[in-house]
Amino acid sequence: TQLLEQSPQFLSIQEGENLTVYCNSSSVFSSLQWYRQEPGEGPVLLVTVVTGGEVKKLKRLTFQFGDARKDSSLHITAAQPGDTGLYLCAGAARGTSYGKLTFGQGTILTVHP
Amino acid sequence: DTGVSQDPRHKITKRGQNVTFRCDPISEHNRLYWYRQTLGQGPEFLTYFQNEAQLEKSRLLSDRFSAERPKGSFSTLEIQRTEQGDSAMYLCASSLKDRDIAEAFFGQGTRLTVV
Repeated sequence: TQLLEQSPQFLSIQEGENLTVYCNSSSVFSSLQWYRQEPGEGPVLLVTVVTGGEVKKLKRLTFQFGDARKDSSLHITAAQPGDTGLYLCAGAARGTSYGKLTFGQGTILTVHP
Repeated sequence: DTGVSQDPRHKITKRGQNVTFRCDPISEHNRLYWYRQTLGQGPEFLTYFQNEAQLEKSRLLSDRFSAERPKGSFSTLEIQRTEQGDSAMYLCASSLKDRDIAEAFFGQGTRLTVV
């Protein structure tokens, strides 16, 4: 059973389109992180959301943490080929061993020029 | 460079051989994690340390796997008698202890191929 469910698993879009990636769980999280990973490299931290209902923006990327702190979303506006990569959500669920980050299975995004 | 450093970046080994990977965390970080990742999947937790204490090991970590962090700084992950199923990217991450936020920074990983 996956603690964090990401959807969709694959996303193939044209440059300029908008997209949303979802990260859902039945567990409550103290915080959630979003990472982006390129082939052959380690994940790079994009953002951490901590407060329920929180919205954070990073240029064309908008991250939201659900009010109940069980889900999060990543929205990209006007996607560019440079956004191509594996997007991962991760968090430490309350009640689990503190500090143990669990990851979703990832969303592979391909943006075609 | 003050990020997490992993060595080697790539390792090809024959089945049955032992391999050891090293991770140097961000200097002020007291928590260190090891993850394993296969192609197109999210990282799977293997183990983590707070300072030199190994606080948790995943069931994924068989008896052939051992990790150490002897002085609470760098860490090593050893795999004995490697099997083809061990082929994966091994990722190390570090973080600062914080009550509410588990925010980890990753190294570039070690790609292991067992032939």
